[in-house]
Amino acid sequence: QITLKESGPSLVKPTQTLTLTCTFSGFSLSTSAVGVAWIRQPPGKALEWLALIYWDDVTHYSPFLKSRLTLTKDTSKNHVVLTMTNMDPVDTATYYCAHTSGWLPDFWGQGTLVTVSS
Amino acid sequence: EIVLTQSPGTLSLSPGERATLSCRASQSVGMNYLGWYQQKPGQAPRLLIYNAFSRATGCPDRFIGSGSGTDFNLTISRLEPEDFAVYYCQQYATSPCAFGQGTKVEIK
Repeated sequence: QITLKESGPSLVKPTQTLTLTCTFSGFSLSTSAVGVAWIRQPPGKALEWLALIYWDDVTHYSPFLKSRLTLTKDTSKNHVVLTMTNMDPVDTATYYCAHTSGWLPDFWGQGTLVTVSS
Repeated sequence: EIVLTQSPGTLSLSPGERATLSCRASQSVGMNYLGWYQQKPGQAPRLLIYNAFSRATGCPDRFIGSGSGTDFNLTISRLEPEDFAVYYCQQYATSPCAFGQGTKVEIK
């Protein structure tokens, strides 16, 4: 059974750096054609794809946020860390991580709400 | 970068009716790598359809994906009360793997 859970601060101040961790079970990120993606959703708005880290360490980022995002993985600890710099109130959203088969997000975490406010 | 446009924005229907949702891509989606997700309030999205027409595990057969290239549809043959939700399409052929803006299916 594949499960994922996001963790991190629920409140960050503008200009701060956000660090979110996705802890998963039921799969290995060293398995071919497996990845973990991050997707966010501002309150009442649509889903926005942020980034993907693949089993072979290849990363892909949204071009709009590429300069602010970093993805790393720790295969032995079964987690992926997303870092987003220079947070702004418009970054307030629920952040989801998801297992991907190829690049298809097929199993999602419950999401974590991050509010950016001073 | 592929942009996905969903229509209509909102669909008002009654239980038992047929729903047809559209997703149009700004360029051809390679290998028809197009998925559909259902999201209910307060919940994470749930994968329903992948590769344009394949049902994910647990997806009822009243959900039918179709289309290819740049034009894709999700049809719900007979709406059940639990089907009233927001539906998103997503392409996962090229990075960035964009989502559409969603279609809300609401009770008329």
